[in-house]
Amino acid sequence: NAGVMQNPRHLVRRRGQEARLRCSPMKGHSHVYWYRQLPEEGLKFMVYLQKENIIDESGMPKERFSAEFPKEGPSILRIQQVVRGDSAAYFCASSPTSPGGTTYYEQYFGPGTRLTVT
Amino acid sequence: KNEVEQSPQNLTAQEGEFITINCSYSVGISALHWLQQHPGGGIVSLFMLSSGKKKHGRLIATINIQEKHSSLHITASHPRDSAVYICAVYHSGGGADGLTFGKGTHLIIQP
Repeated sequence: NAGVMQNPRHLVRRRGQEARLRCSPMKGHSHVYWYRQLPEEGLKFMVYLQKENIIDESGMPKERFSAEFPKEGPSILRIQQVVRGDSAAYFCASSPTSPGGTTYYEQYFGPGTRLTVT
Repeated sequence: KNEVEQSPQNLTAQEGEFITINCSYSVGISALHWLQQHPGGGIVSLFMLSSGKKKHGRLIATINIQEKHSSLHITASHPRDSAVYICAVYHSGGGADGLTFGKGTHLIIQP
């Protein structure tokens, strides 16, 4: 059973370009979370998605950032018109569907995408 | 004040020593994770706890829900244990759906 996969592992973009980060959850998982780790800072929650639904985007910057998790294919975190301050490691995590009653399932993290904006 | 506080921030110890990392939180939680991150590396979940104690190899994690406190212990520490250890909590009762993280404890085990 493959773990959470993210690609690319490293991404370099010039200021003003778009960055697309992909996350494939573990098999059987339908919940995806995106987190950002800025240099020398802790991890911060960005967005929580289920298939075809954004459940909680309270941690997403209001502009330039968007996320989706289509019925087929990976979850995508999209950053438009990147700026130097977007340079960070972006991690996704996945958890399984709750069969009923349980409020929280363990999250499994991917290896991260390290975005560098030049 | 951060919702999740870890101590110490930095810890250097000799190989073989018993290590304790502490995590205190100020909110009601459904679960608490202990995570490990090597420099430039990914994040590995070591434990998820909602009560009591868990053990895996040389690692032990405990949680006291009433005191809002958790500890991660490493017995017979080894240089390969050198990493950042991160405590993360999942809130109960609403709020953001993701984990809230401590700033991490940088552990160095010297041979």
